[in-house]
Amino acid sequence: GAGVSQSPSNKVTEKGKDVELRCDPISGHTALYWYRQSLGQGLEFLIYFQGNSAPDKSGLPSDRFSAERTGGSVSTLTIQRTQQEDSAVYLCASSFTGAPLFFGSGTQLSVL
Amino acid sequence: GQQLNQSPQSMFIQEGEDVSMNCTSSSIFNTWLWYKQDPGEGPVLLIALYKAGELTSNGRLTAQFGITRKDSFLNISASIPSDVGIYFCAGQLSSGGSNYKLTFGKGTLLTVNP
Repeated sequence: GAGVSQSPSNKVTEKGKDVELRCDPISGHTALYWYRQSLGQGLEFLIYFQGNSAPDKSGLPSDRFSAERTGGSVSTLTIQRTQQEDSAVYLCASSFTGAPLFFGSGTQLSVL
Repeated sequence: GQQLNQSPQSMFIQEGEDVSMNCTSSSIFNTWLWYKQDPGEGPVLLIALYKAGELTSNGRLTAQFGITRKDSFLNISASIPSDVGIYFCAGQLSSGGSNYKLTFGKGTLLTVNP
């Protein structure tokens, strides 16, 4: 597609449930990023994929968070046993190597 | 870790006024980027700066990459109501490996009164 596509756009879940968030990057972009944005805050880096290299997971806040990127394209961010503090907008971005990032519209996650 | 200090946190101006916001860092970056975010949307790239001292314009927007590579500013001239939104600065190291991730400021909320 023309831009980064994220789904779902909104997700409401109960505390303790697992959620999966999906990102379709711009075709041909080798790098894919996940960021988290809490209300009124800046963007917090979570994880970065670049080609076939091992991902940079240094921003994942706990072992309940994981992400994978299949076939160098689509990525899924999984949050297990969700907690209320996980409520945020989860943003995906993609880019060519070292170039500016282009963001999707995000998934608004609400944990009740 | 790297931190960006972005100021001001918020601005409330009259249509037609000029606006200036800036970011400073304790670390050197190779690239400075400015993004705008509208409600319910992801950040949209406004300007990218790649060289120390570089001054770049995009319509009514002008941004500069500081000589020390630790700061950048964004100016908006003759503001209009659609300039409303949150403006983020971001610094990027581009020397390879895990340094490609962006470090973001906390944003400047701009409100334009018609």
